[in-house]
Amino acid sequence: ETGVTQSPTHLIKTRGQQVTLRCSSQSGHNTVSWYQQALGQGPQFIFQYYREEENGRGNFPPRFSGLQFPNYSSELNVNALELDDSALYLCASSFGLAGDTQYFGPGTRLTVL
Amino acid sequence: DQQVKQNSPSLSVQEGRISILNCDYTNSMFDYFLWYKKYPAEGPTFLISISSIKDKNEDGRFTVFLNKSAKHLSLHIVPSQPGDSAVYFCAASVTGSARQLTFGSGTQLTVLP
Repeated sequence: ETGVTQSPTHLIKTRGQQVTLRCSSQSGHNTVSWYQQALGQGPQFIFQYYREEENGRGNFPPRFSGLQFPNYSSELNVNALELDDSALYLCASSFGLAGDTQYFGPGTRLTVL
Repeated sequence: DQQVKQNSPSLSVQEGRISILNCDYTNSMFDYFLWYKKYPAEGPTFLISISSIKDKNEDGRFTVFLNKSAKHLSLHIVPSQPGDSAVYFCAASVTGSARQLTFGSGTQLTVLP
């Protein structure tokens, strides 16, 4: 069974640029959720995708957007990067809309200079 | 407004003794609770969960207790081992809310040999 994988591991961007982060869900899972974890804090929910549709969104501006593909992998796109976007971005997968337990990938560390 | 709070940023215990990690929540709609463990440079790893219809769930050395009237849950680890040293996050979700997880800020557990 393959776990959740994310790429890249680390990324450095400058303010105003755009970034795309990628996630492959765990085998058999069709729901992907994205979280942002700032230093010293718990992860914060960005949004969730189920069967290629957005299914819930946290308190993040529209410049945070995503996609889910037919194979259930997902992308997180962030436009017009700000310094405060520097964080660990975590992807989690689960099964179905009632999937109670989410399994996390190792994360992508984004640094915005 | 933090809906899930972990008021102890750190906890140290001796190997072999019990570790008790605490978590409080304010949203009475939460009906599913989870504990995750996180090592540096890794994503959170699922440990144990509990539904609001139960007040205790056990899995090996890990037991989670839920006190709904006090809006409080705790994680007991017995016996504690040096490999348990990590940051522990509690998380909560609401049925039908895309199962978005609301996390606490984490507790750093150090188990001393």
